[in-house]
Amino acid sequence: EIVLTQSPGTLSLSPGERVILSCRASQSVSSSCLAWYQQKPGQAPRLLIYGASSRATGIPDRFSGGGSGTGFTLTIGRLEPEDFAVYYCQQCADSPYTFGQGTKLEIK
Amino acid sequence: EVQLVQSGAEVKKPGESLKISCKGSGYSFTDYWIGWVRQMPGKGLEWMGIIYAGDSDARNSPSFQGQVIISVDKSISTAYLQWSSLKASDTAMYYCARFVSGMFDFWGQGTLLTVSS
Repeated sequence: EIVLTQSPGTLSLSPGERVILSCRASQSVSSSCLAWYQQKPGQAPRLLIYGASSRATGIPDRFSGGGSGTGFTLTIGRLEPEDFAVYYCQQCADSPYTFGQGTKLEIK
Repeated sequence: EVQLVQSGAEVKKPGESLKISCKGSGYSFTDYWIGWVRQMPGKGLEWMGIIYAGDSDARNSPSFQGQVIISVDKSISTAYLQWSSLKASDTAMYYCARFVSGMFDFWGQGTLLTVSS
């Protein structure tokens, strides 16, 4: 089973700041098989990024994804108040198609 | 518009059985996989398994193998997640989601399951 480790666990930031979230895989993952999701309290997750760097429909361009192999990132260019949420990465290279444990962005 | 509508919240006792549902609309249901994701209280997302709606080919996570059954009734565009004997540790929110190209692109609203004596 591929283990995805996200860091940091929690980030305290202010609106307007730039943030980079990390997702490390225990073995190499094809870039076509890495997705990022956003989950706000009381809501279902929402797909943000697929194929490591492609934005899902309707996702603002302040969100960008990158990386390859065992290291992937989600960058939020300038935090808006609605971006404070929990972010998860997920791989599809090998079943079970596991999620990372999540990174929580909280308002400083 | 793609929609996945899940059945309502459930409160059950340990040992009881349960089947929750997820009805798809707005797309060709039988052309896609549907997956289930567990979220225990205050915790992260766990990939449980997926099923191809066209032929019921299923892939389960080893962590959930033997604990739940994933099924589909394509005649009514509905996927199911069922338990034969619930435990308190099954208390969680359960999401269904459409699975395409390795990702979940549309999600249901979630079904909250509480198992308590």
